[in-house]
Amino acid sequence: GENVEQHPSTLSVQEGDSAVIKCTYSDSASNYFPWYKQELGKGPQLIIDIRSNVGEKKDQRIAVTLNKTAKHFSLHITETQPEDSAVYFCAASITEYGNKLVFGAGTILRVKS
Amino acid sequence: KAGVTQTPRYLIKTRGQQVTLSCSPISGHRSVSWYQQTPGQGLQFLFEYFSETQRNKGNFPGRFSGRQFSNSRSEMNVSTLELGDSALYLCASSHGSGMETQYFGPGTRLLVL
Repeated sequence: GENVEQHPSTLSVQEGDSAVIKCTYSDSASNYFPWYKQELGKGPQLIIDIRSNVGEKKDQRIAVTLNKTAKHFSLHITETQPEDSAVYFCAASITEYGNKLVFGAGTILRVKS
Repeated sequence: KAGVTQTPRYLIKTRGQQVTLSCSPISGHRSVSWYQQTPGQGLQFLFEYFSETQRNKGNFPGRFSGRQFSNSRSEMNVSTLELGDSALYLCASSHGSGMETQYFGPGTRLLVL
C-alpha cells in the first residue's frame, strides 16, 4: 500500500525566516496531496493542497511543489510568524478509491520570536 | 456553515468494554472518514462511508466498525476495548467525489484503563 515519509520531524526557525517540509510517497498512482496544520487540542486543518496535474501552488505565504517523477512534494512557508507554530502533516491519496488519506508522521514547527 | 462535530469529546472506558463515537458532517457532505491518531502510529485511516455504504477500509481489526445513516451522520464502534485503543479518533467529511478537501472535526479522545 501507499507509504508517506515526512522530514524533518522537528523544525525550529526564527520569526521571519522560511520553513520547508518535505514528503515522499511510494505509490505512483497517488494524485492528491493535501497539507494539514494541527494545533493543540484541535483537529487537522487543511492549509493547502495540490493535484497531480499541477507542479506548484501558492497561497499567500504558503506554497507547495510536486515532483511526480521523484514522487516527492514539499511545503514552503515564508515570513514565518509565531502563530505558524504547530504540527504539520502531509498526506497522499488515490482519489479513484475514495477519500482514504495516508499521512506522513508529522513535523513539529517552532517559530521563535 | 457549521463544521464537523464529534461527540463525546472525551471518554474514559475500561478494558473489555465497548464504545460508540458519533460524527455529524458538514451539511451537504455525503462522505465521512474516520482516523485514529496516536503518538506512536500517527494518523491512520480506519474507514470511509459514502451514501450509507463503506467505500474504503484501513488495516484495523474487526473490533472496529462503523455505519452511516441516511442523514450522513456516522458512528464508529470499538468492541472489547484494549489499552492500545487509547487515541484521538477523528472524523472528516467531504462531498464525496474524491480529490477534494476533507474537513476534520475536533476529535474524540478515548482513554482505555
